Amino acid sequence: NAGVTQTPKFRILKIGQSMTLQCTQDMNHNYMYWYRQDPGMGLKLIYYSVGAGITDKGEVPNGYNVSRSTTEDFPLRLELAAPSQTSVYFCASSPPGLGPDTQYFGPGTRLTVL
Amino acid sequence: GQQLNQSPQSMFIQEGEDVSMNCTSSSIFNTWLWYKQDPGEGPVLLIALYKAGELTSNGRLTAQFGITRKDSFLNISASIPSDVGIYFCAGGQGGSEKLVFGKGTKLTVNP
Repeated sequence: NAGVTQTPKFRILKIGQSMTLQCTQDMNHNYMYWYRQDPGMGLKLIYYSVGAGITDKGEVPNGYNVSRSTTEDFPLRLELAAPSQTSVYFCASSPPGLGPDTQYFGPGTRLTVL
Repeated sequence: GQQLNQSPQSMFIQEGEDVSMNCTSSSIFNTWLWYKQDPGEGPVLLIALYKAGELTSNGRLTAQFGITRKDSFLNISASIPSDVGIYFCAGGQGGSEKLVFGKGTKLTVNP
């Protein structure tokens, strides 16, 4: 298993541009999550999904959108990039049975908005 | 929102020493998790605790779920250079799909 994979690894955007951060997991996990991590801080939840077709907001959803058309994929969309969205973005997933609390993370996407 | 207070913020130790860090909250959690993050990587799950009072080991790592359900600690015995990284605690309330993370403890091990 590759686990949780994220692309791209790095990206620089100009203010107002849009982009999609990709996340894929091959572990057949029901739950998937998007977090952002700012320097010296813990992770903050942006959006999460409990299964295909179901998404919900986390703590900091403004400026982002998600979709979950398949179990494997959970892309995060930035429509109008702003400097405040400069951060490292992590996708995570949770297996069924162990519960949503036990989350496994991808390697992250480092985004800079100039 | 809910917050976890993780301490210490950073630690500088000599190889071979034992390390202890903890996490406290004003809220009750049903799950405590400990993660390690290496530079440029995502957090990796070290230990998951599901029951108040539970003491769980993973090699040189030992973590406990506080009896009040408002705290947890992580011990690392006989530290080695590859223990360097940032350690995060996270609390979950079971079924809420949302974890609350501490701000991390940055560990430096001098050989």
